[in-house]
This record gives sequence, structure tokens and C-alpha cells, in this order.
Amino acid sequence: AQKITQTQPGMFVQEKEAVTLDCTYDTSDPSYGLFWYKQPSSGEMIFLIYQGSYDQQNATEGRYSLNFQKARKSANLVISASQLGDSAMYFCAMREGDSGYSTLTFGKGTMLLVSP
Amino acid sequence: EPEVTQTPSHQVTQMGQEVILRCVPISNHLYFYWYRQILGQKVEFLVSFYNNEISEKSEIFDDQFSVERPDGSNFTLKIRSTKLEDSAMYFCASSSGGERTDTQYFGPGTRLTVL
Repeated sequence: AQKITQTQPGMFVQEKEAVTLDCTYDTSDPSYGLFWYKQPSSGEMIFLIYQGSYDQQNATEGRYSLNFQKARKSANLVISASQLGDSAMYFCAMREGDSGYSTLTFGKGTMLLVSP
Repeated sequence: EPEVTQTPSHQVTQMGQEVILRCVPISNHLYFYWYRQILGQKVEFLVSFYNNEISEKSEIFDDQFSVERPDGSNFTLKIRSTKLEDSAMYFCASSSGGERTDTQYFGPGTRLTVL
């Protein structure tokens, strides 16, 4: 079974609108962390936001917020007020266990295109 | 802002040749990683490294791969005898202290092309 599932291969959004990128995960470990990374066409991986399994509140980081629904095992990324520069590949990733050096398992990604 | 750097940005090599990919992690970080991404596919874990030894490695990280921290700043990935299927983007990442909330920061990647 896939540990991280991103069901949207591609998403389109108009500039200034909000967009939600879906991510569901599968783990039996009570302690885990969820991450979102952005990969522009230049190829680098840019960390966006982190949500811990024990965090009571949804994570926010500027225009990025994470809609964390633990019972449904989903950690959707919400980008508010989309900008042209948000066009990129977005990856959801999970780290299982308490150790901060455990490996990250990535989803297949969602390509977001922001149009003017 | 401190960042992970990688060199070269693009490496082209012939099948069977050895390549060394170099990374300079963020200076106060203690945990280092290599991941790879075959074109159009998801990012896959290769190996993690702490205190001068491998912490964990994936099935991909077979005997043709090795990692080293030759000095206080560099972290290298060596592929002994490259194969066509080793063509991929290789990312180095580092994290600070192993806390549950720690984030892995990635370098810009080295695109390896094996001909």
C-alpha cells in the first residue's frame, strides 16, 4: 500500500484564488510528521510547511496552511491568494516515528499551474 | 539564510564510470541524507548518515553506492560503476538534531546523466 497518496496529478488555478492540494497517508505509528515541499521547474526542493501528528492546531506558514484531519489521515495543503510563482510540482511527504532523522517517504506529487 | 549546496549541478558520464556527487550540508546540522528522483517520478530515499556512519539505507543503496564525510563540511555520494538506470536527480539533505519536529532541508540537486 502507498504510504503517501496524492490523487491529483495536475491542478489549475487562477491567480489570486485559493487552491487545495490533496494528500492522504497511511501509517500505524502514532508519532509521525507530515511535510510539503515545492519543486519549481528549476528542480530544487523547497520546504514549505510541517505538521506533527500530536499538533493540536493546523500548521500555517504565510500563504500556506495545512488542513490536517487526523481521523481521515489527510494533510491537504491550502495555498491562499495564488501567485504565478506558485506554479510548480508539490510533494507531500511523511516521516514515521519519533526520531527526527527517520527517512521521508514522498508522494508522487501534484503539478500546480497558476494562470493570470 | 544557510542552505545546502551541491556540486556539480549536472554531471554526464559514461556507463561503467565512477562518479562522486558532492554536498555541503548546513553547517550546524548533524544528520545527512541522499535522495534521488528519476525523471517524472517521486523522490526516493537512498541513505542517511550520522556520526560518521550510515544510519539507514534503502534497497536502492546497494554495493555500488557509498557515502563519506571526508572533512568537516563535505558529504559525498559515490557511485562506483554507473548504470543507465542511475540517471536521475540526486538530492542531498540535512537536518539539525534529530528531534521529532526537525525538518530536512534539501540542496538544489545534481542531475546525473549516464550514457
